[in-house]
Amino acid sequence: EIVLTQSPATLSLSPGEGATLSCRASQSVGSYLGWYQQKPGQAPRLLIYDASNRATGIPARFSGSGSETDFTLTISSLEPEDFAVYYCQQRNNWPITFGQGTRLEIK
Amino acid sequence: EVQLLESGGGLVQPGGSLRLSCAASGFSFSNYAMTWVRQAPGKGLEWVASISTGGVNTHFADSVKGRFTISRDNSKNTLYLQMNSLRAEDTAVYYCAKGRVGQWLGHFDYWGQGTLVTVSS
Repeated sequence: EIVLTQSPATLSLSPGEGATLSCRASQSVGSYLGWYQQKPGQAPRLLIYDASNRATGIPARFSGSGSETDFTLTISSLEPEDFAVYYCQQRNNWPITFGQGTRLEIK
Repeated sequence: EVQLLESGGGLVQPGGSLRLSCAASGFSFSNYAMTWVRQAPGKGLEWVASISTGGVNTHFADSVKGRFTISRDNSKNTLYLQMNSLRAEDTAVYYCAKGRVGQWLGHFDYWGQGTLVTVSS
């Protein structure tokens, strides 16, 4: 099983600042990594698929990069609605696995 | 508009069974792999099971293998999760999720609102 480790666990920032979230895989997943955003009481929402492709309707301030074992989700300038929990997910091998999440909170 | 509507959750005793359903609309259901993902209270996301477009191929998390069955009825645009021998650790919100186009092992571009399963005596 591929283990995804996200860091930091919690990130405290202010609106307007940039955010960098990390996801590290225990073995290579190629470019088969995605990112989701989840707000309290809501289902997750796909932001990025296959490392760097924005999903439909996702604002350009969200971008993804990386390959093999190291991936980054960058939010260029935080909007109030961006404060949420973010998960990475790999689709390289069964079983599909998720990271434990990074909570992005308002400072 | 893509919609996924789960139902069938509730309170069940340990060792009991429950069947979840997910009614899909707004897309060609039979052309997409489908998946169940769960989230225990206050915890992260856990993949549970996936099924291919025709229903022939399935994969399960080790934590549910042998106890849960995933199936689909393409004529009814509905996904199912049959859960047997339920344990307290199965308590979670269960989401159905649609795979991205052409992805059997994939990312999930639409999710339902979830249905809560509570296993407790």
